[in-house]
Amino acid sequence: AQSVSQHNHHVILSEAASLELGCNYSYGGTVNLFWYVQYPGQHLQLLLKYFSGDPLVKGIKGFEAEFIKSKFSFNLRKPSVQWSDTAEYLCAVSPSGGYNKLIFGAGTRLAVHP
Amino acid sequence: DTGVSQDPRHKITKRGQNVTFRCDPISEHNRLYWYRQTLGQGPEFLTYFQNEAQLEKSRLLSDRFSAERPKGSFSTLEIQRTEQGDSAMYLCASSLPTDGGYTFGSGTRLTVV
Repeated sequence: AQSVSQHNHHVILSEAASLELGCNYSYGGTVNLFWYVQYPGQHLQLLLKYFSGDPLVKGIKGFEAEFIKSKFSFNLRKPSVQWSDTAEYLCAVSPSGGYNKLIFGAGTRLAVHP
Repeated sequence: DTGVSQDPRHKITKRGQNVTFRCDPISEHNRLYWYRQTLGQGPEFLTYFQNEAQLEKSRLLSDRFSAERPKGSFSTLEIQRTEQGDSAMYLCASSLPTDGGYTFGSGTRLTVV
């Protein structure tokens, strides 16, 4: 069965620290990959997506993610976090060839302390 | 304003009652999706439509659940004979078939008491 694993459920960082959130998926075919963010009290927003091409994807607000096909991974990174990055981060996978359902990980709750 | 509207935002119902939620997608998006999210979990796929056709249903969608999109615009999700386990956030999203950048609504939080 297709699944998405996010290794850390809760992460606490100080401002200016670097961030890396892990995401692994189990799906043998070609996939489209996404990171979504949900700020407190707000709806899910797209941070970045990967369909094909350069495996290093840049998104909004200084976030980037790297697709490593051999490791079935799509880790999210940011070199220096801010208090405003406090949110829940969700990795998702969609089978390529059809932009149909998304399979989400359980999410990582990030708290950034000033 | 997300562009995807869901109504109501909150619903409290007694066990055994029927409830219906509405989703209005972004007007030019012909794909519409329903997800369910419980505490501590990511959203789980329920079903999706392309125009008025329901293309896929999850096994999570029991016989008590039904979704419609009669004119290919708004959609409704009905839960009959609600159970406490149905308590969750029900999310709607829309997209174009050639763009995987789904836009999510703010959700309807259902509490079954």
